[in-house]
Amino acid sequence: DTGVSQDPRHKITKRGQNVTFRCDPISEHNRLYWYRQTLGQGPEFLTYFQNEAQLEKSRLLSDRFSAERPKGSFSTLEIQRTEQGDSAMYLCASSIRTGYSETQYFGPGTRLLVL
Amino acid sequence: AQTVTQSQPEMSVQEAETVTLSCTYDTSESDYYLFWYKQPPSRQMILVIRQEAYKQQNATENRFSVNFQKAAKSFSLKISDSQLGDAAMYFCAYRPSGSRLTFGEGTQLTVNP
Repeated sequence: DTGVSQDPRHKITKRGQNVTFRCDPISEHNRLYWYRQTLGQGPEFLTYFQNEAQLEKSRLLSDRFSAERPKGSFSTLEIQRTEQGDSAMYLCASSIRTGYSETQYFGPGTRLLVL
Repeated sequence: AQTVTQSQPEMSVQEAETVTLSCTYDTSESDYYLFWYKQPPSRQMILVIRQEAYKQQNATENRFSVNFQKAAKSFSLKISDSQLGDAAMYFCAYRPSGSRLTFGEGTQLTVNP
């Protein structure tokens, strides 16, 4: 088991550009989560998928943000027209839910810097 | 809305000593889960320990244990025999029977040799 992987690990972009991040969950995990973490803060929930269905989105997820999980495997998070306030670490986590029991395992994150 | 509060932004401990990190939460749910995650500098978030609210027994994982006080909505983490590798940011997190994790602001733990 290779764990949750994210690509790229670092991204520097100019304001107004579009960026896309990828997350590969642990195989057989049916749930996939995206969180955003700014410096010195705890992660904040953005959205999550069960298989290919996006079940919940946070109010933090403005219409410039879109996430997909085609075929219920990897997921992508796209930010359009980036703003300096989008600079943060974007974390992906995956889990498998059995009854009420569920533990989320995190990837290494993608650190975004918008200049 | 559920909130998680970690009132200690920073803590320090001598190697081999014991330290306790505090966490309180606010919820109207009766069934939920609580977690402590560790985030070393520039490294990924690692699960330390989890507690199911319906269980009265406090969870333990080797040198890590929790003091879960459901009525007081308190969930502290005790690290015994602290090691240099324990130095990290520690986050308390809450999850109801739904899905999303709600994290506290974190406690930066320094371990002094």
